[in-house]
Amino acid sequence: GAVVSQHPSWVICKSGTSVKIECRSLDFQATTMFWYRQFPKQSLMLMATSNEGSKATYEQGVEKDKFLINHASLTLSTLTVTSAHPEDSSFYICSAFRGSNEQFFGPGTRLTVL
Amino acid sequence: GDSVTQMEGPVTLSEEAFLTINCTYTATGYPSLFWYVQYPGEGLQLLLKATKADDKGSNKGFEATYRKETTSFHLEKGSVQVSDSAVYFCASLMNRDDKIIFGKGTRLHILP
Repeated sequence: GAVVSQHPSWVICKSGTSVKIECRSLDFQATTMFWYRQFPKQSLMLMATSNEGSKATYEQGVEKDKFLINHASLTLSTLTVTSAHPEDSSFYICSAFRGSNEQFFGPGTRLTVL
Repeated sequence: GDSVTQMEGPVTLSEEAFLTINCTYTATGYPSLFWYVQYPGEGLQLLLKATKADDKGSNKGFEATYRKETTSFHLEKGSVQVSDSAVYFCASLMNRDDKIIFGKGTRLHILP
């Protein structure tokens, strides 16, 4: 079946550094991918919609200069957390649509900022 | 292991009909429970949640009650609208490992 992968699965970084998280659709092309953030003990919150070949659409309250999204190809979207701080520590999850109806979630990336 | 099971779709109803989408969970503890809605072409949005037994989550006319005795969190709405057409996901979150588990989603079509 279709698989969406994320890399890395976990990352620990120092405050002030930038971290890039990749989301790949492994056996299908995805024109649209979504990025979610899960705060500890809380539910998923949609951060942005990533569209191949165009700018991402950010949800209200999400800083687009802080969370840079690039959807450079039909199988890859990247989320870069710039100048990360401890409050950015979270679990980041992507999802991708195959066609208009099938959606697949990535396994998530746990970011810890020291 | 922990899991979430929800009724398969698609579910097709006429406008103003009563809606129930069943959701049951298995867990070794007491998870928090959520319903998410996904409109065509959009990402998941949290619809409502309940964090302990007998809690009722509600939003936009939708309700769900956390039933520990039946391990269920069924979604209901008294009078659906065409704009409610979407895919609905039930999910559980165990505090011990902070991992969200989703059901497979139920596609809802509301006919005018």
